[in-house]
Amino acid sequence: SQKIEQNSEALNIQEGKTATLTCNYTNYSPAYLQWYRQDPGRGPVFLLLIRENEKEKRKERLKVTFDTTLKQSLFHITASQPADSATYLCALSLILTGGGNKLTFGTGTQLKVEL
Amino acid sequence: EPEVTQTPSHQVTQMGQEVILRCVPISNHLYFYWYRQILGQKVEFLVSFYNNEISEKSEIFDDQFSVERPDGSNFTLKIRSTKLEDSAMYFCASSELAQGREQFFGPGTRLTVL
Repeated sequence: SQKIEQNSEALNIQEGKTATLTCNYTNYSPAYLQWYRQDPGRGPVFLLLIRENEKEKRKERLKVTFDTTLKQSLFHITASQPADSATYLCALSLILTGGGNKLTFGTGTQLKVEL
Repeated sequence: EPEVTQTPSHQVTQMGQEVILRCVPISNHLYFYWYRQILGQKVEFLVSFYNNEISEKSEIFDDQFSVERPDGSNFTLKIRSTKLEDSAMYFCASSELAQGREQFFGPGTRLTVL
């Protein structure tokens, strides 16, 4: 069966350090992988997207890698700040033949950045 | 910046009642979605909608659920006869392009079925 796993339910790091979050999947062949941020009681907010033929993508302090052989994506936040504290969701994007694309989410990793 | 809006923010209903959750997607978007998140669990896909038709639905989206785009701006999710297990946060999302691109989520409607 298809499965998406994100590392540990919670990750605590010190301000200024790099946070690294892991997303592993099985029995999927996604064309895209996306990362979202979710704050308590709010909807997911898109952060980054990486295609299956891309190894790495960067946006400001964020970096995503995608290894389709290992079936793994790593999400890095450099120079982390307390404002980065949130739950981060990995989502596999499957293109629908009828139109649109379906996101299948992992359970998320709760990141807490401490002073 | 354009955003997806949802109403109401919280809906309380009795089991067996019908509810309609409303969404206004971003105006130039073509693809519309509903997801739900039971408290403490992951976000789950319910349905996608394009060109006035359902393009995909999940196993959760049974005959009790329906979606509609009654005019050029609203996108609704109806649950015909609510069950206790329908209690969840329901998120509407929209996207401009189909090819795996990002989806923009609304703030959600918290549905509580008593």
